[in-house]
Amino acid sequence: LAKTTQPISMDSYEGQEVNITCSHNNIATNDYITWYQQFPSQGPRFIIQGYKTKVTNEVASLFIPADRKSSTLSLPRVSLSDTAVYYCLVGEKNQGGKLIFGQGTELSVKP
Amino acid sequence: GAVVSQHPSWVICKSGTSVKIECRSLDFQATTMFWYRQFPKQSLMLMATSNEGSKATYEQGVEKDKFLINHASLTLSTLTVTSAHPEDSSFYICSARTGIDNQPQHFGDGTRLSIL
Repeated sequence: LAKTTQPISMDSYEGQEVNITCSHNNIATNDYITWYQQFPSQGPRFIIQGYKTKVTNEVASLFIPADRKSSTLSLPRVSLSDTAVYYCLVGEKNQGGKLIFGQGTELSVKP
Repeated sequence: GAVVSQHPSWVICKSGTSVKIECRSLDFQATTMFWYRQFPKQSLMLMATSNEGSKATYEQGVEKDKFLINHASLTLSTLTVTSAHPEDSSFYICSARTGIDNQPQHFGDGTRLSIL
């Protein structure tokens, strides 16, 4: 399974756009990139998933360059409630969908 | 959609007892379920992969006789921590996915286990 590397922590202010970049140099052809959000004492919550280029949903955008060795989660206009740990994972169906969590990025949004 | 429910959400028990945690997919059939544990300020650690109707596959270093996993139906998997000791105290989280290609895993809200 491809290993991911993210910044350990990031700080932001309310209303700003936050971009969290994840490195996955050993990503395999069949791997998808998935991002999760976790609040204390809760299970991770699915944010977004993509394979290449750009994916957007109602809460975030995911940018994936052509070489797919990295990805960037973009959170538009964050609020205090976006303070959480964000995990970037890569995995694919032929491995039973197994995901190995890295350390994640602890995002702190300040007023 | 894609709701995963865990029960109980919090349990305290005496050392030496066994504790069962349930993980249910409420609105989809889960061909595969996963069990994780998480210590404070740490990431999730995958313990085992559970496929309906077959034996679970445990990650290296996870004692299969200590952590019994059963996945008897497409909507229910259970984790039993046998003869629990204080070092087994942790946050246990399950996830489930369908057999549909590249669908993401959906996680339960975890079970806080405290062994006295």
